[in-house]
Amino acid sequence: DAGVIQSPRHEVTEMGQEVTLRCKPISGHNSLFWYRQTMMRGLELLIYFNNNVPIDDSGMPEDRFSAKMPNASFSTLKIQPSEPRDSAVYFCASSPSGVGGETQYFGPGTRLLVL
Amino acid sequence: KNQVEQSPQSLIILEGKNCTLQCNYTVSPFSNLRWYKQDTGRGPVSLTIMTFSENTKSNGRYTATLDADTKQSSLHITASQLSDSASYICVVSARDNDMRFGAGTRLTVKP
Repeated sequence: DAGVIQSPRHEVTEMGQEVTLRCKPISGHNSLFWYRQTMMRGLELLIYFNNNVPIDDSGMPEDRFSAKMPNASFSTLKIQPSEPRDSAVYFCASSPSGVGGETQYFGPGTRLLVL
Repeated sequence: KNQVEQSPQSLIILEGKNCTLQCNYTVSPFSNLRWYKQDTGRGPVSLTIMTFSENTKSNGRYTATLDADTKQSSLHITASQLSDSASYICVVSARDNDMRFGAGTRLTVKP
């Protein structure tokens, strides 16, 4: 299995531009999580889906952030417009069923720099 | 105040030595506690997951303990290797996927 796949691995953009991050979960996994990691704030859960349905988006910072999961094998996290404070590493993770206490498998992350 | 506090913030040990990392939490109610290892530039990798009824769980040279009464957990690394150099993150869930994250302990193992 290829594991969780994220693209792009690195993104540099200018303030105000739209940024789209992509994630392909492990095949057969029903839950998908988006995280953000910075030096200042550490790891934060932004949103998670179960069976393609958003379950908890309370971690999404503000309306500039949106996430979709149109099917079981693909999810996007979009930032529009981007700001320098959005610079971070964004991780996608998946788990088999999303049940509490289940192992989550993380992707390699997308390192975003907003100038 | 963070609901999950890890200590120390950083630690340097010599290869072959043992070490113990601490995680204290105030999260309530408690569902489960996870330890992750994160190598530089990579995503976290799950080491252990413990529920309320579990006191200890091992994964190779990694052993996690949990005291739900005092709300403390530790991660013990035995016979450290250079590849153990990483950040170790403690994550406590109040229910299902309602997670609280520690800031991590940065471990450096030197030859």
